[in-house]
Amino acid sequence: DQQVKQNSPSLSVQEGRISILNCDYTNSMFDYFLWYKKYPAEGPTFLISISSIKDKNEDGRFTVFLNKSAKHLSLHIVPSQPGDSAVYFCAASDGNQFYFGTGTSLTVIP
Amino acid sequence: DGGITQSPKYLFRKEGQNVTLSCEQNLNHDAMYWYRQDPGQGLRLIYYSQIVNDFQKGDIAEGYSVSREKKESFPLTVTSAQKNPTAFYLCASSAPGQGASPLHFGNGTRLTVT
Repeated sequence: DQQVKQNSPSLSVQEGRISILNCDYTNSMFDYFLWYKKYPAEGPTFLISISSIKDKNEDGRFTVFLNKSAKHLSLHIVPSQPGDSAVYFCAASDGNQFYFGTGTSLTVIP
Repeated sequence: DGGITQSPKYLFRKEGQNVTLSCEQNLNHDAMYWYRQDPGQGLRLIYYSQIVNDFQKGDIAEGYSVSREKKESFPLTVTSAQKNPTAFYLCASSAPGQGASPLHFGNGTRLTVT
């Protein structure tokens, strides 16, 4: 059973606008959440993370929001750039293993 | 430059043959992982190791084997018992206190079995 879900397989956004990628999880024992960016035939690259004791973490154009009551995680990219076009995976950890969603393919249109 | 090296990038094998995928890291990380990615699916955990000479099965360990004789190395063997071995394989590592430390990935090995 998928413990981390990304329900949108794809997303298209105009350059300069905000991209919002969403992720839901089911396990309340998860205490660490991450976002990765992946290009074809390459390994995922770590983008940003958040601990369960926080509700927001920001790093440049990337902000991750955590809503523990809703078991929902989102990644905001502002402003979106064509180089952001890639597959984005969210992940969650229970301190032992990491569980990944199925990914959202983001296309930023110039 | 610290990182994770997976080799080779592309690997072709005949059905019925065992094949070993290499993973080496120089990040001094204690924990290492093997994931498999298939089209339209997330990364699924095959095996992981939190310390030398110890490893645990992940969600899809059947048909795979691993060893962890050295901290730097975590090779994965895809055996002939694996029913659908063609996939993109990713090796990763994380630092001690891994609960708050991200996974670092290699660039993957694309295995094709015909």
